[in-house]
Amino acid sequence: DQQVKQNSPSLSVQEGRISILNCDYTNSMFDYFLWYKKYPAEGPTFLISISSIKDKNEDGRFTVFLNKSAKHLSLHIVPSQPGDSAVYFCAVRRGNEKLTFGTGTRLTIIP
Amino acid sequence: SQTIHQWPATLVQPVGSPLSLECTVEGTSNPNLYWYRQAAGRGLQLLFYSVGIGQISSEVPQNLSASRPQDRQFILSSKKLLLSDSGFYLCAWSGTRLNEQFFGPGTRLTVL
Repeated sequence: DQQVKQNSPSLSVQEGRISILNCDYTNSMFDYFLWYKKYPAEGPTFLISISSIKDKNEDGRFTVFLNKSAKHLSLHIVPSQPGDSAVYFCAVRRGNEKLTFGTGTRLTIIP
Repeated sequence: SQTIHQWPATLVQPVGSPLSLECTVEGTSNPNLYWYRQAAGRGLQLLFYSVGIGQISSEVPQNLSASRPQDRQFILSSKKLLLSDSGFYLCAWSGTRLNEQFFGPGTRLTVL
């Protein structure tokens, strides 16, 4: 049973526009949420995170939004750049338990 | 600073052959260690994790096993590979700040 879902397997966005990646989870007890970015043939790298006590966290071009009532997490990238083309994974955690990753969304930025 | 190494980077093995993938972490002690698999078109599936030497937890029943003979060494093994074992295998570690995991470069395994 998939506890973390990224319903869009792929997304294409024009360079300079906003990229919005979405993630839905099922367990309201999750209290920490992360986004990872992965290039082909490389390991994922941490991008940005948010705890359940917040609803927004911003780091440069990247902003993560958390809607706890909807159990929904999103990552906004603005403006999108060609180097942002990668697979993005959301991940969730409850307390000190291990991370659970979503299925990933492949983002392609069109020059 | 901490670094994580995985080898080999790529591997092509026949069905029924054994497997040994190695992962080592430098610059930290007593890390939590993880093995993930990313199969084609799928997300990151946690296979094993370890909180200490000799302590291995298996997440899914499968053809693979893991061992942690030293504090910063994590090994993924199989006695007989199946076609379905093909995928991209990632080792990761986390420290006391469990909120982040740091991944190795991965191993691309193709079973023919």
